[in-house]
Amino acid sequence: GQQVMQIPQYQHVQEGEDFTTYCNSSTTLSNIQWYKQRPGGHPVFLIQLVKSGEVKKQKRLTFQFGEAKKNSSLHITATQTTDVGTYFCAGPDSNSGYALNFGKGTSLLVTP
Amino acid sequence: SQTIHQWPATLVQPVGSPLSLECTVEGTSNPNLYWYRQAAGRGLQLLFYSVGIGQISSEVPQNLSASRPQDRQFILSSKKLLLSDSGFYLCAWRPRLGRANEQYFGPGTRLTVT
Repeated sequence: GQQVMQIPQYQHVQEGEDFTTYCNSSTTLSNIQWYKQRPGGHPVFLIQLVKSGEVKKQKRLTFQFGEAKKNSSLHITATQTTDVGTYFCAGPDSNSGYALNFGKGTSLLVTP
Repeated sequence: SQTIHQWPATLVQPVGSPLSLECTVEGTSNPNLYWYRQAAGRGLQLLFYSVGIGQISSEVPQNLSASRPQDRQFILSSKKLLLSDSGFYLCAWRPRLGRANEQYFGPGTRLTVT
């Protein structure tokens, strides 16, 4: 079945360092979404990418969608302690138009 | 604006006891509704989703069930809890119509089965 994979599973950085998480799908995606879950909280939608090769920025966060629409990345420049959390990518389920397949997430720890 | 509520926030239940978790959405009509489970430190597992009243799709076999008695109400139930049912249960919604397909999550219920 369709799989969405993320690497790395964990990342520990010093505040001010950059961070990147990668997402790969076993199938071509019509769109990809990114969510952030703070420790003890619930996932919060960050952004959706739709076009091949699309790049979107939100302040220090840069999101990319691959040309083949099977991979994506989230890059954080100069991490801050407020960036701590787990970042999930998700793509539409190929069997259902209503469900999303989430990656297992990348947990980011930022130490001051 | 739309809001999603879940209760209770935390729950400790003995093995073999029943379960009922409730989720309600305000400020929207005809939403798609979803139940996820997240084990400690793990990803999101889709349990059920619903595209309308009385319409439930199950994603994984388990001893849980879901019901949607009203348009904006989604209930997760079990007749007899297992230890493996412990986890963080999240309800989510998305607009049924339109091109937006991002999901919005409720605050979740932390269930510990003892």
